[in-house]
Amino acid sequence: QLQLQESGPGLVKPSETLSLTCTASGGSFSSGTYYWGWIRQPPGKGLEWIGSMYYSGDTYYNPSLKSRVTISVDTSKNQFSLKLSSVTAADTAVYYCARHSMVGANFDHWGQGTLVTVSS
Amino acid sequence: QSALTQPPSASGSPGQSVTISCTGTSNDVGRYNYVSWYQQHPGKAPKLMIYEVTKRPSGVPDRFSGSKSGNTASLTVSDLQAEDEADYYCSSYAGTIQVVFGGGTKLTVL
Repeated sequence: QLQLQESGPGLVKPSETLSLTCTASGGSFSSGTYYWGWIRQPPGKGLEWIGSMYYSGDTYYNPSLKSRVTISVDTSKNQFSLKLSSVTAADTAVYYCARHSMVGANFDHWGQGTLVTVSS
Repeated sequence: QSALTQPPSASGSPGQSVTISCTGTSNDVGRYNYVSWYQQHPGKAPKLMIYEVTKRPSGVPDRFSGSKSGNTASLTVSDLQAEDEADYYCSSYAGTIQVVFGGGTKLTVL
C-alpha cells in the first residue's frame, strides 16, 4: 500500500525559500503510471494545486505560482521535492504531496500534510 | 485559472439527501469529464470520493454519487450519516496537467 510522507522545516523566514520533500513507501515514482503533485491549504481555507511532475522530470505548475516554484524528483531515493522561493506570510499553509492519475488528474493517495509557517 | 465555485455550507438531517454544487467554466468543468470530489475531516488529508464525474473508488459507499450538467458538477450524499459531516472539495482537470479546486463546502449533519 502506497504511503507518502512530507518532511521539511516547519518555519521559514520571509523572502527565503521553502523546501519540502515527499518520500514514498510501498510504491515507486518511476512506475510511469502516475503523476506526483503538491497541494497546499492555508489555515481555515481551501485547497490550492501547486504543481505536478512525471517521473521523467516533466513538470507542470499553477500559473499563479509558476515563477516561484520548482518541483524535482530523485528516483534513487524515491523522493520528490518542492521549492517555493521568496515566501511571504501568504504562503503559510499545510503542504500535501499526493499521487494523481495520468488521465483526469484525480488525487488518490495523499500524504498526511505538513504545516509550514512563514514568519520572522 | 480561477477557483471553482462551491457554496460555503450545506446541511441535512440523518437519512436525508444533500447536494453540493461546483461551478466552473467551459475551460474546465464544462470541457472535461474529469471532475473529482474530496472529503476532508478536520486535521486530516483529503480523501478521494468521486472521480471522472461519476466514478467511486473502491471502498467509498454508494451513498455518494456525482453528476455534471454544463459547467456545473454536483455531489449528492444520500442517507446522510453523522460521519459524513466534513468539508467537501471539488476539482477539475483544466488541460495539459492543470488542476483547479473549488473553495470547499462545509457539510453539517443536523
